[in-house]
Amino acid sequence: GQNIDQPTEMTATEGAIVQINCTYQTSGFNGLFWYQQHAGEAPTFLSYNVLDGLEEKGRFSSFLSRSKGYSYLLLKELQMKDSASYLCAVNDGEGFKTIFGAGTRLFVKA
Amino acid sequence: EPEVTQTPSHQVTQMGQEVILRCVPISNHLYFYWYRQILGQKVEFLVSFYNNEISEKSEIFDDQFSVERPDGSNFTLKIRSTKLEDSAMYFCASSATGGTEAFFGQGTRLTVV
Repeated sequence: GQNIDQPTEMTATEGAIVQINCTYQTSGFNGLFWYQQHAGEAPTFLSYNVLDGLEEKGRFSSFLSRSKGYSYLLLKELQMKDSASYLCAVNDGEGFKTIFGAGTRLFVKA
Repeated sequence: EPEVTQTPSHQVTQMGQEVILRCVPISNHLYFYWYRQILGQKVEFLVSFYNNEISEKSEIFDDQFSVERPDGSNFTLKIRSTKLEDSAMYFCASSATGGTEAFFGQGTRLTVV
């Protein structure tokens, strides 16, 4: 079956670093995405990994290990506006179908 | 900045009625998607569309659902006979290439009563 697991909630302090993990088991693999979603809003794209390794984009970095079915999103210099849900999603290679995890709600406190 | 636009932002309909949700993808994008998100739950894939045909659909996308690109700019999702459980936020998305970074519209909140 298709399964994407990530922690339900995390709390971190403003200015700190937080790592959100994601493990996946899918029938195929053609890339992993991280999206940010504020309550009541649409998901917005953060990062895309298709090869193993680290992709860095400003305060956000994402890592992928295909052999382990594992990814993480690293957020540095946390700001209050980073309080949101972070969605891990996998393209399973079939007709551009992307499967989403349930999301990790991140609370950033002062 | 180009964006995906969806109309209406909120639609209330009676059970059994047909609804059409409309989307205008980003103009140079070739791949289009519909997702739904029931309140408090995860984003679920419904269908992907490329070259005027469905590329993939999920088990949610049954005979009650259809998609169409009636002209060069619009992409629609039709639900023929709505059920209470169809109440959700429906997101349209588009991407320049298949299965890569997708840009989401702001969504249509469908409420079936």
